[in-house]
Amino acid sequence: NAGVTQTPKFQVLKTGQSMTLQCAQDMNHEYMSWYRQDPGMGLRLIHYSVGAGITDQGEVPNGYNVSRSTTEDFPLRLLSAAPSQTSVYFCASSYGTGSGGTGELFFGEGSRLTVL
Amino acid sequence: AQSVTQPDIHITVSEGASLELRCNYSYGATPYLFWYVQSPGQGLQLLLKYFSGDTLVQGIKGFEAEFKRSQSSFNLRKPSVHWSDAAEYFCAVGSGNQFYFGTGTSLTVIP
Repeated sequence: NAGVTQTPKFQVLKTGQSMTLQCAQDMNHEYMSWYRQDPGMGLRLIHYSVGAGITDQGEVPNGYNVSRSTTEDFPLRLLSAAPSQTSVYFCASSYGTGSGGTGELFFGEGSRLTVL
Repeated sequence: AQSVTQPDIHITVSEGASLELRCNYSYGATPYLFWYVQSPGQGLQLLLKYFSGDTLVQGIKGFEAEFKRSQSSFNLRKPSVHWSDAAEYFCAVGSGNQFYFGTGTSLTVIP
């Protein structure tokens, strides 16, 4: 089992460029999410999805787009990169949602993005 | 709004010493609580979780955590730390479809 796979692992962009961070999971998880990790700030939720065709915003959604056309894939798009989006990005999935929360998150290894 | 506080940014312990990492949360109901560990350059790995039931939960790598409702705390403990435990530790609360993470505690282990 590959678990959660993120690509690319490293990327350097210039301000204004666009790119897509890919995330795929092979665990048939309904729930998928994107976080960014910045020093001293922990992980902050960007967007999440509770199933194919359903997405919602998290704490820091501005500047990012997502879509969920299949259960397996949840790409994160930066439409016009800014230096403030320099960060480490993590994709995570979970096996379901409940009234009090989801099961634990399974994380990818991260994608380090630098915007010049 | 839900929040998670890890008051210790950095902790240094000697190998073989005991460890306690603090976590306090703000949440209206009994939350789903988690501890994750992150080694340098890696993703986060689940150490343990609390959903309900026994308030003392056991996890991997010899870690345990105790849920104290009256103190809104979920502190992580290990009786004897190994050098390989050096990492960043994150406490998290699951609420509905969102997770809230603390800012992390960095653990250094001295030989």
